[in-house]
Parts: sequence; structure tokens; C-alpha cells
Amino acid sequence: GEDVEQSLFLSVREGDSSVINCTYTDSSSTYLYWYKQEPGAGLQLLTYIFSNMDMKQDQRLTVLLNKKDKHLSLRIADTQTGDSAIYFCAERGDTNAGKSTFGDGTTLTVKP
Amino acid sequence: NAGVTQTPKFRILKIGQSMTLQCTQDMNHNYMYWYRQDPGMGLKLIYYSVGAGITDKGEVPNGYNVSRSTTEDFPLRLELAAPSQTSVYFCASSYSNSQANYGYTFGSGTRLTVV
Repeated sequence: GEDVEQSLFLSVREGDSSVINCTYTDSSSTYLYWYKQEPGAGLQLLTYIFSNMDMKQDQRLTVLLNKKDKHLSLRIADTQTGDSAIYFCAERGDTNAGKSTFGDGTTLTVKP
Repeated sequence: NAGVTQTPKFRILKIGQSMTLQCTQDMNHNYMYWYRQDPGMGLKLIYYSVGAGITDKGEVPNGYNVSRSTTEDFPLRLELAAPSQTSVYFCASSYSNSQANYGYTFGSGTRLTVV
């Protein structure tokens, strides 16, 4: 079945850029998402990218997609302590009842 | 808009007890999902529904059951609770694939402990 993999932990200094990476196996993935989960809360959609795009920028967030290598990354510029959270990569195909497959999440720790 | 509402937020069950986790959404989403999240892990799909009256198994359906009698409600039933069902349960909803760019809307979760 589909698989999505992420590194588990990332630690950065406040003001630095953070880059969170993700790889996926399903070549029919149509949408790729980044969700953010703060402690004790549900996941919240941060941004998405359609599979025919290479890059998407949204304020401090930049998403890069390498469809050939099935590699997705999320760059957070000027990382703040409020960005500390777990970030999940997810994919969704055109069929399959809109089911998404999620990675295990990357815990981002931002140190002052 | 309330979005996706889950109740209860916390629950402790004894082994062998049963309970229903409630989920309701007010966005007129056709698609609804139940996931469980174990510590340090991603989300595993339990059951999903593409519309009222239609449900299907996900990756880890054993020990659970669902129903979808209305567009708004998608309760998850646990029969004969076991310690392995200790987890955080998330309900989510979404538009159909034509509006998939909206992703999922998640509830705030139910933290269940089986002792």
C-alpha cells in the first residue's frame, strides 16, 4: 500500500530556517499536504501542493515537490518558538474515497 | 461554524466495556474518517464513509464499528474494549475529490485509556 516517511525530529534556533522532508511511494498521489499538530490538539491544514506544481509559497512557508523522486519538503522561514509542533506530511489520490496516508510526523523544536 | 466536533474529550474504560465516540460536522462534507494516533506514530485509518449510508473499513478496523445515518454524524463504536485500543482518536471530514485542495478538517480528538 501507500507509504509516507518523514524524519522524526528537527531542532532549530529561533530565526533560522527549518526544512522538514517527506518521501512518499504512491505515484498517483494528486495532492500533498502539510498539517500541523500542537500539543493536545487535532491536526490543522497548513498548506497543500497539487502534483503538477513544483513549488508553492505562502508567507513564511515554501513547499517544494520533486515528483520524479517522490520527495516533498516544507521550509519555514524565520522560525519562531510558536512554530514548535509536530508536522505531518500526507498524500491523497484522485480516487480511493479521498483517503489520505499520513507520515509519522516530524517534531520541530525551536530553541530561543 | 463549529467544524468537526468530537465528544467526549477524555474517557477511561475498563477492559470489556463498550462505548461510542461521537463525531459531528456542520460543513456538509460528504467524506468522513476515523483515525487513531498512537504515541509517536502517525495516523492509522480505522473506518471511512463517502456519504450517508455508506461505510468501509480502513487499515485497522478490528474491534470497531461505525454507522453513517446522516451526512453530519459518524459515530465510532468500540465493543469489548482492550488495552490495545488505548489511543487518541480523531474524526475528520473533507470535501469530495473535486475540492481536495481543502484537505481534511479534524476534530480535537478523544483520548481513550483502557485499563
